Amino acid sequence: DVKVTQSSRYLVKRTGEKVFLECVQDMDHENMFWYRQDPGLGLRLIYFSYDVKMKEKGDIPEGYSVSREKKERFSLILESASTNQTSMYLCASSLGLAANTGELFFGEGSRLTVL
Amino acid sequence: QKEVEQNSGPLSVPEGAIASLNCTYSDRGSQSFFWYRQYSGKSPELIMFIYSNGDKEDGRFTAQLNKASQYVSLLIRDSQPSDSATYLCAATTGGFKTIFGAGTRLFVKA
Repeated sequence: DVKVTQSSRYLVKRTGEKVFLECVQDMDHENMFWYRQDPGLGLRLIYFSYDVKMKEKGDIPEGYSVSREKKERFSLILESASTNQTSMYLCASSLGLAANTGELFFGEGSRLTVL
Repeated sequence: QKEVEQNSGPLSVPEGAIASLNCTYSDRGSQSFFWYRQYSGKSPELIMFIYSNGDKEDGRFTAQLNKASQYVSLLIRDSQPSDSATYLCAATTGGFKTIFGAGTRLFVKA
């Protein structure tokens, strides 16, 4: 079974703290994604990666960075957390371009609260 | 900014009826289109994908794509209370970048 695992389900951090959200997939997928989901706004793409050490900005990259040192792991970093980054963060992965339907497999989400 | 638009709802239908969910997209370069279902407190899961104009059927679900009108729809026949969820429309460009709409909440009344 396809599995995407996010390391933390719930986090509470203070303004200005550095936050790491970890995501690991076990399907040998090429592509990995970070989204945030807020009521009324749906899923918004923060960053994605189509290969190790490669990253592309999504629609809302400000205040975030990412790291992909290994194929199976994609980390989202908040250098200095702010209250407007309180949200549900969803990691996803998908196969590479070859034979790819584009289906995304999601982790269970990490709910971050910044006080 | 490239967008995917959906009516947020809620859409309420009686059990056994057909639920019709609609979506438009702004990027003519979008190649593949998806419908995900998301139950409250859960992650999205794929229901259907479509990339050719026309209809695609899978059980009680039919996805429809009209690239000229930049329009995607999902029909759910014989709606069940277990279909009550938020339905997310998504479009993929550049092979793998996937953009989502805000979702439509569906309630199926028993």
